[in-house]
Amino acid sequence: EIVLTQSPGTLSLSPGERATLSCRASQSVRSSYLAWYQQKPGQAPRLLIYGASSRATGIPDRFSGSGSGTDFTLTISRLEPEDFAVYYCQQYGSSPVTFGQGTRLEIK
Amino acid sequence: QVQLQESGPGLVKPSQTLSLTCTVSGGSISSGGYYWSWIRQHPGKGLEWIGYISYSGSTYYNPSLKSRVTISVDTSKNQFSLKLSSVTAADTAMFYCARDGTGTMDWGQGTLVTVSS
Repeated sequence: EIVLTQSPGTLSLSPGERATLSCRASQSVRSSYLAWYQQKPGQAPRLLIYGASSRATGIPDRFSGSGSGTDFTLTISRLEPEDFAVYYCQQYGSSPVTFGQGTRLEIK
Repeated sequence: QVQLQESGPGLVKPSQTLSLTCTVSGGSISSGGYYWSWIRQHPGKGLEWIGYISYSGSTYYNPSLKSRVTISVDTSKNQFSLKLSSVTAADTAMFYCARDGTGTMDWGQGTLVTVSS
């Protein structure tokens, strides 16, 4: 099983700032099958990025993903008030599918 | 736009079997190319993949739950289902059904299942 470790656990930033979230895998993620999700309280997660760097339909271009192998990054270029939420990475290249423990992005 | 909706009891007694159904609208399970998933989230915690099924009935389960999980599909009703046996309080969670392709693309709103006597 591939273990995903996200850092930091909590990130405190202000609107307009740049956010950088990390996801490290215990072994190489096959074909960069790495996705990022945003979850707000009381809502289901929403797919932001798939294939490590492809934005899902309707996702603003301030969200970008990068990385390969075992190290992946989600960057939000300029934070909007609605971006404060919990973010999860997921690998779907190997069974079982696994998720990171999440990074909480909070308003400073 | 595919929509998914979970249904089933919100309260299950310990040792019993939890049963949930996901109804898919706006697209056909039989169209192929996707997996149909169950994912759960314990209160205040992260996401746990339970397993998924293809339209043809091929299943893949999380090894941590495999001995207790069955996922099935009914293409005539455009539904797929989850059964989790021998539940305990540790199985209390929000359960989501979802469509997987390039990542988990579409999610149901989730249904909270509490295990309690």
